[in-house]
Amino acid sequence: NAGVTQTPKFQVLKTGQSMTLQCAQDMNHEYMSWYRQDPGMGLRLIHYSVGAGITDQGEVPNGYNVSRSTTEDFPLRLLSAAPSQTSVYFCASSAGRKKAFFGQGTRLTVV
Amino acid sequence: GENVEQHPSTLSVQEGDSAVIKCTYSDSASNYFPWYKQELGKRPQLIIDIRSNVGEKKDQRIAVTLNKTAKHFSLHITETQPEDSAVYFCAASGGADGLTFGKGTHLIIQP
Repeated sequence: NAGVTQTPKFQVLKTGQSMTLQCAQDMNHEYMSWYRQDPGMGLRLIHYSVGAGITDQGEVPNGYNVSRSTTEDFPLRLLSAAPSQTSVYFCASSAGRKKAFFGQGTRLTVV
Repeated sequence: GENVEQHPSTLSVQEGDSAVIKCTYSDSASNYFPWYKQELGKRPQLIIDIRSNVGEKKDQRIAVTLNKTAKHFSLHITETQPEDSAVYFCAASGGADGLTFGKGTHLIIQP
């Protein structure tokens, strides 16, 4: 039982490049979400999903896309990376919108 | 939407003393209040949570109190130890978009 798995752990992108951060969970949780963590800002919600085929925006969705084709996977896509997207990204899952379990994080640097 | 304020941003206590971190929330519909601990370079991990039908919950050296009328909740750590040094986040949930986090408290345990 791996819990929530994120890949990659580290990534450097050039401005304008696109990429996908992967997130998978094996706990059969219906609720999954993506957060970004910046110094002094806490964890801010980017997008979330309450089940396969259903996604919605959080507090800071601009520049990011998500999809949820299966219960297990919830990838986050950066369409055209910008330096302002340099951050640590966490994926989380929960059985309801309550006890969230986090992945190990992806440290993204955009140069 | 929900807004969570957390204080202080940094808290330094002597080993063996108690530490208290306070949070306020804005949405009276919020009914779930978790606390997460994040060690340097690691993922946030749930340490304790409380629901709105309970005023206090305790787990060994950690306790959380909730005042629904005043819309604030607090984390209490007694007999602090070096391994308690970390960043602590409070969060609130009750609406459709999951957890809203405070900006975090850096707890430093002085030997």
